[in-house]
Amino acid sequence: EVQLVESGGVVVQPGGSLRLSCAASGFTFDDYSMHWVRQAPGKGLEWVSFISWNDGSTYYADSVKGRFTISRDNSKNSLYLQMNSLRTEDTALYYCAADLGGGYFDYWGQGTLVTVSS
Amino acid sequence: SYVLTQPPSVSVAPGKTARITCGGNNFRSKSVHWYQQKPGQAPVLVIYYDSDRPSGIPERFSGSNSGNTATLTISRVEAGDEADYYCQVWDSTSDHPWVFGGGTKLTVL
Repeated sequence: EVQLVESGGVVVQPGGSLRLSCAASGFTFDDYSMHWVRQAPGKGLEWVSFISWNDGSTYYADSVKGRFTISRDNSKNSLYLQMNSLRTEDTALYYCAADLGGGYFDYWGQGTLVTVSS
Repeated sequence: SYVLTQPPSVSVAPGKTARITCGGNNFRSKSVHWYQQKPGQAPVLVIYYDSDRPSGIPERFSGSNSGNTATLTISRVEAGDEADYYCQVWDSTSDHPWVFGGGTKLTVL
């Protein structure tokens, strides 16, 4: 059974930092590119970041570029998102999602909630 | 950046057909994917490459792409189909290629 389990979401003050993790199981993690997608309370889905399965190339939404860093450790079947200089507008449920290369999101985790508030 | 436009809401009676549209420029050069998100749950892929269904998705779900509009069609709608539906494309010309529509709330009357 495919599983993506996010963790690390907490309440943090504006300007603070946070590292999210996503543990993958039930599929060959090395074969999949990975994404972070977020959803602010009561709002729609917003793509955040991508990391490729092979060469480690990365992409970021303009809203997080320069503040967030995506990474992966294939030996641990894990995906990460380092979030710095957090803003109130970063408050959201953060999902990790797997992409076999078709440009869409094959599998999703259940999300981890990040709240940025003073 | 690329913009996808969805109606905020669609309502349909049980047993009828629901059609949810997704508008964008030059859709013929792009593939459209659809996700279903029920309250409190993660999104689930229901249609990929305009009209393909993943394993486990009922045949009642179908998709099409013509001109500047893609359509998700749900036949014989059931109460359990009530959810938010999002379209998504991959824009290879962009620095941030993965784009979602704003979502459509499907209400089963």
